[in-house]
Amino acid sequence: GQNIDQPTEMTATEGAIVQINCTYQTSGFNGLFWYQQHAGEAPTFLSYNVLDGLEEKGRFSSFLSRSKGYSYLLLKELQMKDSASYLCAVGRYSGAGSYQLTFGKGTKLSVIP
Amino acid sequence: SQTIHQWPATLVQPVGSPLSLECTVEGTSNPNLYWYRQAAGRGLQLLFYSVGIGQISSEVPQNLSASRPQDRQFILSSKKLLLSDSGFYLCAWSVGGRALEQETQYFGPGTRLLVL
Repeated sequence: GQNIDQPTEMTATEGAIVQINCTYQTSGFNGLFWYQQHAGEAPTFLSYNVLDGLEEKGRFSSFLSRSKGYSYLLLKELQMKDSASYLCAVGRYSGAGSYQLTFGKGTKLSVIP
Repeated sequence: SQTIHQWPATLVQPVGSPLSLECTVEGTSNPNLYWYRQAAGRGLQLLFYSVGIGQISSEVPQNLSASRPQDRQFILSSKKLLLSDSGFYLCAWSVGGRALEQETQYFGPGTRLLVL
């Protein structure tokens, strides 16, 4: 089975740093993805991790620990436009060889002045 | 560069009516294509995926079906809609391959369906 957990909601202040956690228990693992989804819009790709450690992309960083089944997305210098839902997704190859993503329910981040 | 289109953007349909949602990708060949549904308060649910023309795999048994009549066209259909079919339908594509960069999925703008 697939189980991916994220906090439902978070609130942070403009200019601050926020960490969004994701824990997973999945049958098969081949990569962890983070997507951003603004209200009423489609998800947009932010980052992926396949090996343990930190991947940095500008103000956004993502960390992975495969042994702990744990990842986090770190957002620095928060801006009002960062208010969105952040989706954690685990990738794996199916028995037929196709690559599939299983998504968590997302964390709704509200950035306040 | 690659772009993905979906239409219609919004749709209101009565229960029992048929459905056809279309997705097309430009700027790439032989993409992997996916249909997801996002219901209120729930995560993205994979409905169908396709690795080539005429090749469709279903993840969740239900009253929906998918077809891929052309390389870059993916269609989601239903003969009779149910109230529970309401949601945000998203099409996604990936290059496909064994590198994670090639497996990254990119989403279309989505179709918001309301069944009354």
